Amino acid sequence: SQELEQSPQSLIVQEGKNLTINCTSSKTLYGLYWYKQKYGEGLIFLMMLQKGGEEKSHEKITAKLDEKKQQSSLHITASQPSHAGIYLCGADYYGGSQGNLIFGKGTKLSVKP
Amino acid sequence: GAVVSQHPSRVICKSGTSVKIECRSLDFQATTMFWYRQFPKQSLMLMATSNEGSKATYEQGVEKDKFLINHASLTLSTLTVTSAHPEDSSFYICSASSGTSSYEQYFGPGTRLTVT
Repeated sequence: SQELEQSPQSLIVQEGKNLTINCTSSKTLYGLYWYKQKYGEGLIFLMMLQKGGEEKSHEKITAKLDEKKQQSSLHITASQPSHAGIYLCGADYYGGSQGNLIFGKGTKLSVKP
Repeated sequence: GAVVSQHPSRVICKSGTSVKIECRSLDFQATTMFWYRQFPKQSLMLMATSNEGSKATYEQGVEKDKFLINHASLTLSTLTVTSAHPEDSSFYICSASSGTSSYEQYFGPGTRLTVT
């Protein structure tokens, strides 16, 4: 089974609405990364969470990591068309010198004006 | 912030030929570089991890003789797709890490490969 489950797969929201994307790991994370991607383009780093219970915000995007370090959520407040894209969570299970990420399948977000 | 470039951004090649994709860290030394592949509407899949000066470590199912990775310097890694076939058409993204304690990866903009 998939180590990292991301939900929902796609999301269509009206501009101005709030939304949440979830990322659930089957095992404890060393770190959890959130990226935004427009398909066919590179990844834009949003946030990285490492401590249980950690929460970070950037503009209208807030990401949280639960205490058990197995679940993270990305919350967008008052969504705008510029938020549209694919959101990917990436799990770091090893830290240290290994550092490769296992990615979720992504959430495609559309924001209707 | 750290910048990673990839070249070319798009390439079209004929079946049976080889194509090389370059990944460069422009303003930092990348001790480790990662190569990912992304199929349409799917997530990124790690292909291999390369550390400067040593052989790349390939993920299970990735043919090392087909996807040749070289990490000859702290700022450059190359991925060569040998004897390309249409099924190799994909979006390839590299990322680089300096191996600092914060351990962020910096992603390149990606290369779209189309094999005809």
